[in-house]
Amino acid sequence: GAVVSQHPSRVICKSGTSVKIECRSLDFQATTMFWYRQFPKQSLMLMATSNEGSKATYEQGVEKDKFLINHASLTLSTLTVTSAHPEDSSFYICSASRSGEFGQYFGPGTRLTVT
Amino acid sequence: EDQVTQSPEALRLQEGESSSLNCSYTVSGLRGLFWYRQDPGKGPEFLFTLYSAGEEKEKERLKATLTKKESFLHITAPKPEDSATYLCAVPSNSGYALNFGKGTSLLVTP
Repeated sequence: GAVVSQHPSRVICKSGTSVKIECRSLDFQATTMFWYRQFPKQSLMLMATSNEGSKATYEQGVEKDKFLINHASLTLSTLTVTSAHPEDSSFYICSASRSGEFGQYFGPGTRLTVT
Repeated sequence: EDQVTQSPEALRLQEGESSSLNCSYTVSGLRGLFWYRQDPGKGPEFLFTLYSAGEEKEKERLKATLTKKESFLHITAPKPEDSATYLCAVPSNSGYALNFGKGTSLLVTP
């Protein structure tokens, strides 16, 4: 068990448009979900933590108005990149954890390219 | 400040050549240490969780061990398919977020 899916796996969009990425826990209820971005040959950088039904907590330096996170249910969280620009091009990965647990299960990632 | 340091940054092994990856940490009150494997262009894959010094866990050619200051990921007789980046992480002091090390990029050549 503990499978997390992401959709889409790849997306190309034009500068100024918005993109939504979905993260789903398929076989467990995810009390907490996390969103990371990863640049080439670098480690994961936590962007925000979200709990079901609550507002997301953003890490320092992450623009909350640009990266909108919605954790509407115990199995779904979405990340919307608003007014995307080329510098937002990156690999976005979500993860999910069960209630009271620290272990995180990661999705396969979404490659965003903004042209 | 909590820190997770992994070494070496990169490691090249011949097939069958055993070695170890290191993860040292400084946290106040360890609540678990996690090892992940990440292949290029994919999300991290969970490998092990260790909770207390002296604990060991094994999976195929991998064995993870934990002391009070560091963890080792031992790779016995590696195969080319073991090539990946190996990440370790510990929970931060605030909430359930994980602090990740920068990873060790392992390349196993035939």
